[in-house]
This record gives sequence, structure tokens and C-alpha cells, in this order.
Amino acid sequence: AQTVTQSQPEMSVQEAETVTLSCTYDTSENNYYLFWYKQPPSRQMILVIRQEAYKQQNATENRFSVNFQKAAKSFSLKISDSQLGDTAMYFCAFLHSNYQLIWGAGTKLIIKP
Amino acid sequence: EAGVVQSPRYKIIEKKQPVAFWCNPISGHNTLYWYRQNLGQGPELLIRYENEEAVDDSQLPKDRFSAERLKGVDSTLKIQPAELGDSAVYLCASSPRGIGANVLTFGAGSRLTVL
Repeated sequence: AQTVTQSQPEMSVQEAETVTLSCTYDTSENNYYLFWYKQPPSRQMILVIRQEAYKQQNATENRFSVNFQKAAKSFSLKISDSQLGDTAMYFCAFLHSNYQLIWGAGTKLIIKP
Repeated sequence: EAGVVQSPRYKIIEKKQPVAFWCNPISGHNTLYWYRQNLGQGPELLIRYENEEAVDDSQLPKDRFSAERLKGVDSTLKIQPAELGDSAVYLCASSPRGIGANVLTFGAGSRLTVL
């Protein structure tokens, strides 16, 4: 069965620092999608970044980038120059071939001023 | 463009009472999802619709939960009767066909408290 593991329940860093959130997954599939979603306190879930497994190049969206290691089944999220507005729960998710998203338990990220 | 709209945002009921949640997806999105999210956890899929057809309802507790998506647009999720363990945030999401099909847009959620 496919699983997604986020081993860091909570992290905190100072504003402007760089932080990396880890995610590992387990699958026997070769083609799939991976996502990082952000859920600020009492606000809606929004997509941060997406990675297609067949693409070797790591996805980047402004201050957000991923380190996708397909052989190791690792998909970490790096946030550069962190901002107070980055404080949120971050969820890693894997898209199953039957279109079901498998979610990790989330990492609570706190950016301190 | 309006996002995914859910109502109500908050609902407090006593156990054994019924409750219903409504979702209006993004215009043109043919796929609609209902998720349940317990505090401090990731979302759990309850049901997925392709247009008006429920294509995955394997995780929906059918003894007390029901859902419908008439005309393939708006959707309603109902719980009857509610139990204490149903307290959670109920998230609706939608996605389009084609290249963007794997990206979900979420609503703000409906937070249910069962007393």
C-alpha cells in the first residue's frame, strides 16, 4: 500500500532563514505526482508546488523548491528566505494511479520574528 | 474567478442531530471531492465525483453519511445522525479535466463540532 511519511511533526525557524521539510513515500508505481500543500491557521489548503515523477528536474516556485530523489522515494521541500506568512501546516501528498491522493500527517512550521 | 465555496463555515450540533454541508466547485471543474480532516492530521477522502457520478465512495461511512451531486455541479454532504467522533473539518475540493486534473483547489472547509 502507498504511504506518505512526514517525520517532523513541528519545526520552527527564524524569519529569513532557510528550512527544509522532509517527506518520504512508498510506492511500486513508476509514474506519479507529488505535491506540497500549505494550510495556514484557520485558512484553506493551497498548493505550494507539484512534481511529476518522470521529470528529473526539481520543481521550483519562487522561494519554494523541492529535492526529489526518486530512487530514495524522498520529496523534501525547501523554503528560502522564510517569511512570517509561511507559518502553516505543510502536507506532502502522493497521487495514486486511481486518482486518490495519499496524504502525510503534516509538519507544523512556525516562522519566528 | 470565485474559488470553491463551502457553507456553513462553522456548525455546532448535539449528537444524534442531522447536519448538511454544501459545496459549489470552481466553474468547469468536473471532479469534486469531499474530505474529512481531523485536528492535526491530513485529509481523508470520503467521496469523489466525476460529474454527477460517485466514482470512489469506498471510505464513506454509508450507515450515516450520504452525498449527492445533482447536475454535476453543487454537492451536498449529509450526516444523520451525527456522533461525537464526527467532529472535524469537512473539506470540499475540485479539479478540472486535462493537464490540471491532478491539482486540487480546496474550499475553506466546514468545521463541525458535535456535543
